[in-house]
Amino acid sequence: SAVISQKPSRDICQRGTSLTIQCQVDSQVTMMFWYRQQPGQSLTLIATANQGSEATYESGFVIDKFPISRPNLTFSTLTVSNMSPEDSSIYLCSAPRGQGNTEAFFGQGTRLTVV
Amino acid sequence: AQKVTQAQTEISVVEKEDVTLDCVYETRDTTYYLFWYKQPPSGELVFLIRRNSFDEQNEISGRYSWNFQKSTSSFNFTITASQVVDSAVYFCALTGLLKGGSNYKLTFGKGTLLTVNP
Repeated sequence: SAVISQKPSRDICQRGTSLTIQCQVDSQVTMMFWYRQQPGQSLTLIATANQGSEATYESGFVIDKFPISRPNLTFSTLTVSNMSPEDSSIYLCSAPRGQGNTEAFFGQGTRLTVV
Repeated sequence: AQKVTQAQTEISVVEKEDVTLDCVYETRDTTYYLFWYKQPPSGELVFLIRRNSFDEQNEISGRYSWNFQKSTSSFNFTITASQVVDSAVYFCALTGLLKGGSNYKLTFGKGTLLTVNP
């Protein structure tokens, strides 16, 4: 099965600071996706990370707050900038895998607490 | 726009009971994929199944079974003889096909918290 490694697995950060989350996939994928899961809530797509171009952000998410890098086809980072307690969430990266790229696998998530 | 509704917020059963988790979806796409994921307390999202819109056959995998009914836009998930280890949040999700290929993004339901008591 697909392996998606995400780190850190958890962190506690001071408000006003930034945290960069890394996501490594064990094979090349065209697109990677970043999701946020606020406490007790469902998953919401933040952005699609495209290799060689800027990420595509969903409504309500902006590049200044969540800059994304995608330097190659197996790696992406998401930065949560100028954090506030409202950013406390689980952040998950995802990549489509399987025949026809129709199986979505997820990393183990980064549990972020902002104090 | 796509929408996934999991009307059951929480379900509590006693071990060995069967339990069905409901999922109803809305989409204008003619080709789409439906998923179920399990999220245990540790937080990772575990892929359980993918079903495409062309295949309405029900599927069974061990104690798990899925009932896809296009006529009612439902994709329900049944756990037979539930176990304590089945306790988790279960998410139903939907994706269509974006222009230009098979890349996609998922729309998730709000999830159902299943608690299996010994």
